[in-house]
Amino acid sequence: GAVVSQHPSRVICKSGTSVKIECRSLDFQATTMFWYRQFPKQSLMLMATSNEGSKATYEQGVEKDKFLINHASLTLSTLTVTSAHPEDSSFYICSASGDYRLPTSGYTFGSGTRLTVV
Amino acid sequence: GQQVMQIPQYQHVQEGEDFTTYCNSSTTLSNIQWYKQRPGGHPVFLIQLVKSGEVKKQKRLTFQFGEAKKNSSLHITATQTTDVGTYFCAAWNSGNTPLVFGKGTRLSVIA
Repeated sequence: GAVVSQHPSRVICKSGTSVKIECRSLDFQATTMFWYRQFPKQSLMLMATSNEGSKATYEQGVEKDKFLINHASLTLSTLTVTSAHPEDSSFYICSASGDYRLPTSGYTFGSGTRLTVV
Repeated sequence: GQQVMQIPQYQHVQEGEDFTTYCNSSTTLSNIQWYKQRPGGHPVFLIQLVKSGEVKKQKRLTFQFGEAKKNSSLHITATQTTDVGTYFCAAWNSGNTPLVFGKGTRLSVIA
């Protein structure tokens, strides 16, 4: 089945530094990738939608300059948390669509990245 | 935008008891999906419902989609400790649009 690989799974960084999270579709071309954020014991909140070769569409309240998204190829999207602060600590999950083989709408999730900013 | 309301937020059951979580929308849904997220894990797709009144079963799990396509439910018969986790419903409109998730129901099973 379609596989989405997300790295790193865990990262601890110092306040003020930047962190890059990668999301790769391993065996299909992901025309669209979605980035979600999940706070402890809460639901997934959509941050942005990225389409290959175009600018990402950010949800209301999400700072585009803080959460940089790049979808440079059909198999890779990256989320960079710039100038991270402790309040950015969260679980970030990507999902990808575009695999016609899937019996669903084609959403496959990465395993998530737990970011801790100290 | 589209919203899905999910209840209850939490459910604690004794092992062997049944469990049900409900998902409701004020608008007609194209389809609804259900996911399970284990503690510390990521959402894992369980099933998708598309047709009005559709009922699907996966072993002890029964999924229903309402006749008006505005509500859905997930019922687990005779819960086991392996059923522990948060169950999310999610809906989408069409094409490569993002899923909109309900707030989830966290299930605890007491052995």
